Amino acid sequence: DIQMTQSPSTLSASVGDRVTITCRASQNISSWLAWYQQKPGKAPKLLIYKASSLHSGVPSRFSGSGSGTEYSLTISSLQPDDFATYYCQHYSNSKTFGQGTKLEIK
Amino acid sequence: EVQLLESGGGLVQPGGSLRLSCAASGFTFSSYAMSWVRQAPGKGLEWVSTISSGYSTYYTDSVKGRFTISRDNSKNTLYLQMNSLRAEDTAVFYCVKGIGSSAITSPNDCWGQGTLVTVSS
Repeated sequence: DIQMTQSPSTLSASVGDRVTITCRASQNISSWLAWYQQKPGKAPKLLIYKASSLHSGVPSRFSGSGSGTEYSLTISSLQPDDFATYYCQHYSNSKTFGQGTKLEIK
Repeated sequence: EVQLLESGGGLVQPGGSLRLSCAASGFTFSSYAMSWVRQAPGKGLEWVSTISSGYSTYYTDSVKGRFTISRDNSKNTLYLQMNSLRAEDTAVFYCVKGIGSSAITSPNDCWGQGTLVTVSS
């Protein structure tokens, strides 16, 4: 099975910062990668799919990039609403999540 | 507006069974892949199972042979039959809609609010 490893596990940042979260796959996943945002007590929300496609309604400060085994989610200018936990997910006949990155206020 | 409403969670003893249901509305249910994703208390997300619009099914290894995903397109309802439940199955179970019909190439674009399953004696 393909393993997904996110880094960092926790990230402290300030409003206005540019932040990047990385997700590494144990083998080539051909951009079949999504990113989700989850706030405490809430269901996750889809942000990015196919590695770099922005889901409808998601602010343009969110972007995704990568290929092969290395992928990243970038938030260009952090807003107060962005402090949450972020998950990457490889989707195919098996769908594996990364362990999550908690984005905290510095 | 897409709505996914899970039901059927609760407290069950180890070795017991439970059937989760997810009532869908606001979209053409029969045209989309549907999944179950769970989250143990204080832990990350774990994919459980997916069913395509064409009824192809997929499961994570830890539930194969114990859980069965199914759908009733006439009732716009997704199900998860869970047998031989273990303490490690304790989690909030989310019903999730795929972006498309394929179980393989569809990420999850809409999520229900979840139903809690607790396996304990």
